[in-house]
Amino acid sequence: QSVLTQPPSVSAAPGQKVTISCSGSSSNIGNNYVSWYQQLPGSAPKLLIYDNNKRPSGIPDRFSGSKSGTSATLGITGLQTGDEADYYCGTWDSSLSAGVFGGGTKLTVL
Amino acid sequence: VQLVESGGGLVQPGGSLRLSCAASRFTFSTQVMSWVRQAPGKGLEWVSGISGSGGSTYYADSVRGRFTVSRDNSKNTLYLQMNSLRAEDTAIYYCAKAEAGSSGYYLDYWGQGTLVTVSS
Repeated sequence: QSVLTQPPSVSAAPGQKVTISCSGSSSNIGNNYVSWYQQLPGSAPKLLIYDNNKRPSGIPDRFSGSKSGTSATLGITGLQTGDEADYYCGTWDSSLSAGVFGGGTKLTVL
Repeated sequence: VQLVESGGGLVQPGGSLRLSCAASRFTFSTQVMSWVRQAPGKGLEWVSGISGSGGSTYYADSVRGRFTVSRDNSKNTLYLQMNSLRAEDTAIYYCAKAEAGSSGYYLDYWGQGTLVTVSS
């Protein structure tokens, strides 16, 4: 059981937009920044979004992040087949004094 | 930034293993580092973190008391000593560089991982 809650899967057609939600509590998302990671099949995770809505160098602006209260959302526009991957949200949990992740969301581009 | 894990392998339940992560191309001694694992077909699980000096360490409840994180800043190397291993510790273990501030914590660079299999 993950501390952060994500939908197991989402899907959309190429060129469309998709959003992935991440729900937590006041001890994690509510009082800390959220990050998002992309894990392509057979690869290590890669940072997509940090501090709720910032993109590291090299990440296209098709990827966006937002946070409201104890929930966060990853948005991907202009979907490409290469975006098919598992996506994870993460943050620090101040009560646990530990990092926490969501269970992951598998994105299928139909 | 380059992170290269080593030390994984097959170990019997109750056994021990020490993982290493060789870091390069950044100032290792000033950076928070973390270990994250992924069981076969499962999601990411944060395992442990350590401050740049090594003076502060953090653990997931699932490994506290069995795993010990440490670092040798003179060798630019991060370690994870794993004792009393269980079948449920079977996973790919990733080393990651962290950025940690007053309200933020994220893992900006990851190694390729090393596989630990706990089985008799």
